[in-house]
Amino acid sequence: DTAVSQTPKYLVTQMGNDKSIKCEQNLGHDTMYWYKQDSKKFLKIMFSYNNKELIINETVPNRFSPKSPDKAHLNLHINSLELGDSAVYFCASSPWDRANTEAFFGQGTRLTVV
Amino acid sequence: SQKIEQNSEALNIQEGKTATLTCNYTNYSPAYLQWYRQDPGRGPVFLLLIRENEKEKRKERLKVTFDTTLKQSLFHITASQPADSATYLCALETTDSWGKLQFGAGTQVVVTP
Repeated sequence: DTAVSQTPKYLVTQMGNDKSIKCEQNLGHDTMYWYKQDSKKFLKIMFSYNNKELIINETVPNRFSPKSPDKAHLNLHINSLELGDSAVYFCASSPWDRANTEAFFGQGTRLTVV
Repeated sequence: SQKIEQNSEALNIQEGKTATLTCNYTNYSPAYLQWYRQDPGRGPVFLLLIRENEKEKRKERLKVTFDTTLKQSLFHITASQPADSATYLCALETTDSWGKLQFGAGTQVVVTP
């Protein structure tokens, strides 16, 4: 049973296109995240949702729009893709418990914009 | 500015020895510090969490220390095995931004038989 699953694993697309990455977790967690890992391997948080409500929104271009239809799903839609958007995007989830904030990550989606 | 620094050079170590990784931070007051393992093409996997009022945490062959005065955490893998080869990431969470993990760039560990 995959705890946090995201699709697709690889995504190659042309500049200017619009694409979506889907994420689902079956851990019963309240909080879900999107992280971006660039070529220098830094993992940076982009968004966080708690019970479908946006709680963290880092300085991310508004071409990136997260959508949470329910607390088990958090999708990422990207408009007008640019070369600089190429990276690995990770979805994660955690229980909303300040005593234990271990995060569970998906396998990642490698996005390549050409 | 806020920084989280980990050794950028790979740590090459012989099987059976202890690997020690460093995580230094500046301009943070972390409530928690976590260590994750990341294998190529995979997402990070949680290993250990240590709170600001804890000095040391252990889990099997892993040990983490946290020195808030030095602003440093050390991560030890004792009796290392080739299967321990991976990149290890440290991550901080502060009291004024719950749920927002700030990651270091990670240190690659290579354990040779």
